[in-house]
Amino acid sequence: GIQVEQSPPDLILQEGANSTLRCNFSDSVNNLQWFHQNPWGQLINLFYIPSGTKQNGRLSATTVATERYSLLYISSSQTTDSGVYFCAVEAGANNLFFGTGTRLTVIP
Amino acid sequence: NAGVTQTPKFRVLKTGQSMTLLCAQDMNHEYMYWYRQDPGMGLRLIHYSVGEGTTAKGEVPDGYNVSRLKKQNFLLGLESAAPSQTSVYFCASSYRGLTRREQFFGPGTRLTVL
Repeated sequence: GIQVEQSPPDLILQEGANSTLRCNFSDSVNNLQWFHQNPWGQLINLFYIPSGTKQNGRLSATTVATERYSLLYISSSQTTDSGVYFCAVEAGANNLFFGTGTRLTVIP
Repeated sequence: NAGVTQTPKFRVLKTGQSMTLLCAQDMNHEYMYWYRQDPGMGLRLIHYSVGEGTTAKGEVPDGYNVSRLKKQNFLLGLESAAPSQTSVYFCASSYRGLTRREQFFGPGTRLTVL
């Protein structure tokens, strides 16, 4: 299967700070999604972004498919942003391969 | 629109017992999936279905069976539960086709096998 590496594994931010999360993947993909898993375990879709750039409020994401990486930007972080952020990719085999996540803690 | 729902939310089993997890979606999606999430890890695919009456194995299928008798439902069965199957189980669904493959996830079922 595809290898998905996320960095950093852990991140602690002061409220109001900005951050960039990175996802590297080992093969060409036709699906890339970013998720936020909140402290209650719920998986929330952030972006479906196999290529290009998207923005949604304080969050934005960029995928450079030819270089096999994606970035998730969080601006003006809030305590509600805390949780684990997962990148997941699919290469046409009906299987999303997940990275091990970045655990974000935002301190008030 | 309820999206993807899962039943039950929590369950405790003894080793050797059986159970069925139910997933339902109201988005008319063709594809449905079952994943498991173990502590400190991302999700791994157990089984999936590309349409009513069809199922296929994913990355970690051993010890599980599935059925898709109706388009909107996808069942995951454990015939003889083992402690190694203690996990959180997520169901997901998506459209068919390479351009609309975003997967939508249910809230999860936390299963403990003693």
